[in-house]
Amino acid sequence: ELKVEQNPLFLSMQEGKNYTIYCNYSTTSDRLYWYRQDPGKSLESLFVLLSNGAVKQEGRLMASLDTKARLSTLHITAAVHDLSATYFCAGYTGGFKTIFGAGTRLFVKA
Amino acid sequence: GAGVSQSPSNKVTEKGKDVELRCDPISGHTALYWYRQSLGQGLEFLIYFQGNSAPDKSGLPSDRFSAERTGGSVSTLTIQRTQQEDSAVYLCASSPTVAGYTFGSGTRLTVV
Repeated sequence: ELKVEQNPLFLSMQEGKNYTIYCNYSTTSDRLYWYRQDPGKSLESLFVLLSNGAVKQEGRLMASLDTKARLSTLHITAAVHDLSATYFCAGYTGGFKTIFGAGTRLFVKA
Repeated sequence: GAGVSQSPSNKVTEKGKDVELRCDPISGHTALYWYRQSLGQGLEFLIYFQGNSAPDKSGLPSDRFSAERTGGSVSTLTIQRTQQEDSAVYLCASSPTVAGYTFGSGTRLTVV
């Protein structure tokens, strides 16, 4: 069964700094999702990565997928406080079941 | 509506009572999912509906949990004889394809 592991689980960083969140998955996954969740809120879709080598960027966030390494990364460039949230990656197992990682709680300090 | 609607947004119930949680997906979305999120935890898959196919119930934690989807639209998640460990946020999501879900705001269930 697909397992999805994120690291780090908690990240505190200074504004203006860069950092990467890693998402490893255990078996073949046709696609990889990234979601953002603000405290007390639901999940917001950020990226859907559909193929090996896929790279998507939105503002200060860039996501990539390496299906051979079974690894996706979410890179944060020049972090700002508004990026503080929990970020989830999720893999798709087929049969329409999506398995979520435990989430990375990001706190950006002003 | 424009998004996935869940009701109630908050529910406090006594241990042993039954509860029903409702999800109204985006119109035209054939896939509907229920997930559970315990405090500070990730998402636990519960059940998936796709069109008229038999639902994937493999994530339901016990036979106290059941779900229906009527007319390919609204879904109800029912928890019988609630226990304190059932306390969590129950999230519903819908999708027209597998290219990403839209989540509802969730129902926060507290069993006292």
